[in-house]
Amino acid sequence: DIQMTQSPSSLSASVGDRVIITCRASQSISSDLNWYQQKPGKGPKLLISSASNLRSGVPSRFSGSGSGTDFTLTISSLQPEDFATYYCQQRGYIFGQGTKLETK
Amino acid sequence: EVQLVESGGGLVKPGGSLRLSCAASGFTFSDAWMTWVRQAPGKGPEWVGRIKSKTDGGTADYAAHVQGRFTISRDDSKNTLYLQMNSLKTEDTAVYYCTDNYYYGVQGTLVTVSS
Repeated sequence: DIQMTQSPSSLSASVGDRVIITCRASQSISSDLNWYQQKPGKGPKLLISSASNLRSGVPSRFSGSGSGTDFTLTISSLQPEDFATYYCQQRGYIFGQGTKLETK
Repeated sequence: EVQLVESGGGLVKPGGSLRLSCAASGFTFSDAWMTWVRQAPGKGPEWVGRIKSKTDGGTADYAAHVQGRFTISRDDSKNTLYLQMNSLKTEDTAVYYCTDNYYYGVQGTLVTVSS
């Protein structure tokens, strides 16, 4: 089975910071990787699909890159509403462990 | 706009059964492979299983920890996905979400297995 390893598991940052979250697959998944944001009590919200496609309505400060086994989610300038937990997911299948983004 | 609304959760005793539903709209449900995911309190999401579109065979696959106890089905005429859960265990306690492998339900449905 494919494993998804996400890092870091938690991150303290400030408004305006550039944040990078990484996700590594145990074997190639091409570009079949989605990134989600989740806030307490809510379902995961799709940010990026197919590794780098920004979904409609998602701010342009979010971007994704990578293919094969290594992927990154970048938030170029952190905003107050971005403090949440982020997950990568091999589309429709396995999740990474999550990255909790907290205010410094 | 894709909308997914889960329902059917509740409190059930260990060994009991429950059927969850997911009402879908905003996309061609019959063409979609649909997935159930769950999230235990304070934990990350966990894949439960998926069902292919009928065009692609309509078969379902399950995570090892629910294989033989859970059954996923679909009614394309009603744009509805189902999860039949039998022989429930306390460790099945979680919020259950359906997904079209892109979008998730907004709140999911809570299943609590407790005596």
